[in-house]
Amino acid sequence: QMQLQESGPRLVKPSETLSLICTVSGGSISSGDYYWSWIRQPAGRGLEWIGRVYGRGSTNVNPSLKSRLTMSLDMSNEQFSLNLGSVTAADTAVYYCARDPVVMSGLFDSWGQGIQVTVSS
Amino acid sequence: DIVMTQSPDSLSVSLGERATINCKSSHSVLFNSNNKSYLAWYQQKPGQPPKVLIYWASTRDSGVPDRFSGSGSGTDFTLTISGLQAEDVAVYYCQQYFSSPYTFGQGTKLEIK
Repeated sequence: QMQLQESGPRLVKPSETLSLICTVSGGSISSGDYYWSWIRQPAGRGLEWIGRVYGRGSTNVNPSLKSRLTMSLDMSNEQFSLNLGSVTAADTAVYYCARDPVVMSGLFDSWGQGIQVTVSS
Repeated sequence: DIVMTQSPDSLSVSLGERATINCKSSHSVLFNSNNKSYLAWYQQKPGQPPKVLIYWASTRDSGVPDRFSGSGSGTDFTLTISGLQAEDVAVYYCQQYFSSPYTFGQGTKLEIK
């Protein structure tokens, strides 16, 4: 069964770049069967879809974050990544990676456990 | 963006009773060509990621107990939990996957009375 696991720095300074990696096991991100998404959840609040990467590096992103966001795939290591620039305290959240099937685009049927990222000096 | 609004924000129900959560979308999420509403329900327990319960507004995901049911079409949807059990304490979210950016409701916190 496919599993996803987030990794990266848990503390980022304001104005710097938040960088996270999601490692996929039990399956291949190059199968073409899934899109690979990032979703975040500030403490005690709801869920915000950040964006997704797929294929050979194509992306769909939330317009609210588009100017600060870069996502990519590393098929050789079965990983995909998120880079969010110019962070502020408002970017403090639990960040999840998730997959959505191509045949049911936008339905997140498998999630990582999440990683708490705090933006603070 | 499609705005998803849930009601109530929190709910307290006795064990064995019925819990009902509503979700309204600012734009129809019904795709006319296949007559499917692109609406899902998730359950999130403390310290865990969300887990999909229902998709296509009323289809239970594999392994989800049949006490969970979804209904509705277009812009108005309901999640019903019949015969509440202690393990159902969680926050429940609706989500539209009709169009990007995909958006979630604010969540409904379900507690035992």
